[in-house]
Amino acid sequence: RKEVEQDPGPFNVPEGATVAFNCTYSNSASQSFFWYRQDCRKEPKLLMSVYSSGNEDGRFTAQLNRASQYISLLIRDSKLSDSATYLCVVNNRGGSYIPTFGRGTSLIVHP
Amino acid sequence: DTAVSQTPKYLVTQMGNDKSIKCEQNLGHDTMYWYKQDSKKFLKIMFSYNNKELIINETVPNRFSPKSPDKAHLNLHINSLELGDSAVYFCASSQDGGGGEKLFFGSGTQLSVL
Repeated sequence: RKEVEQDPGPFNVPEGATVAFNCTYSNSASQSFFWYRQDCRKEPKLLMSVYSSGNEDGRFTAQLNRASQYISLLIRDSKLSDSATYLCVVNNRGGSYIPTFGRGTSLIVHP
Repeated sequence: DTAVSQTPKYLVTQMGNDKSIKCEQNLGHDTMYWYKQDSKKFLKIMFSYNNKELIINETVPNRFSPKSPDKAHLNLHINSLELGDSAVYFCASSQDGGGGEKLFFGSGTQLSVL
C-alpha cells in the first residue's frame, strides 16, 4: 500500500460545480497534513493546511479523519482557474519529518 | 526577489555526463529538500538537509550527491547520467523541518537525458 494515495482523476466538472477529493494515508502516526496545488509545468504551492477540526478558506474546505486515515478537500462554486492538480501531503515522523506527496488529483473545470 | 531559486531551468545532456543543479533560498529557512517529479507526475523526496546536515536520504542511487555549503544553498550533483534520470527536479525549503510548516518550492529544473 502506498504511503499516500489519491485518485488521479481527471475530475471534469462544469463551472459552478462542487467537487471533492479524498486522500488516504497509511501511517497512523502521521503528524500534519496539507493540500498543495500544482499548475501545469509549475511548482507546487500550498493551498491549505488540514486540521483535525476541519478548516475553511473561502470556497475551499479541508477535513481530516484520523480514525479512517484520510483527508478531504471540497471546492465549492468551481472556477475555470481552479483547474490544476491537487496534491495531498502528509508529514510522517521517522527520525525527522518527511513531507510525503500523493500522486495528485487532476481537476478540469470547463465552461 | 525569488524566495527559492534553482538553476538551470532546463538541462539537456547526453547519457554518461555529469551535471549539477543549484538551489538557493533567501527565506532564512533551516531545512532544504530535493524532490524528483517523474513523467507520471509523482513527487518523490530525494534528500533533506537541516542547517547543512543531511537528515533524509531516500534510497537514491549514489550517483546523486547533494551538497550544502551553507543553510541557504543545497546543490545537487549527478554523475553518469542515465535515461531514467530524466524528470523535473524541485528544490524546496521550510522553516525548520519540524513538520508543521509549509514547503516553498523553486520553479523546477527540467532534466532531459538523451
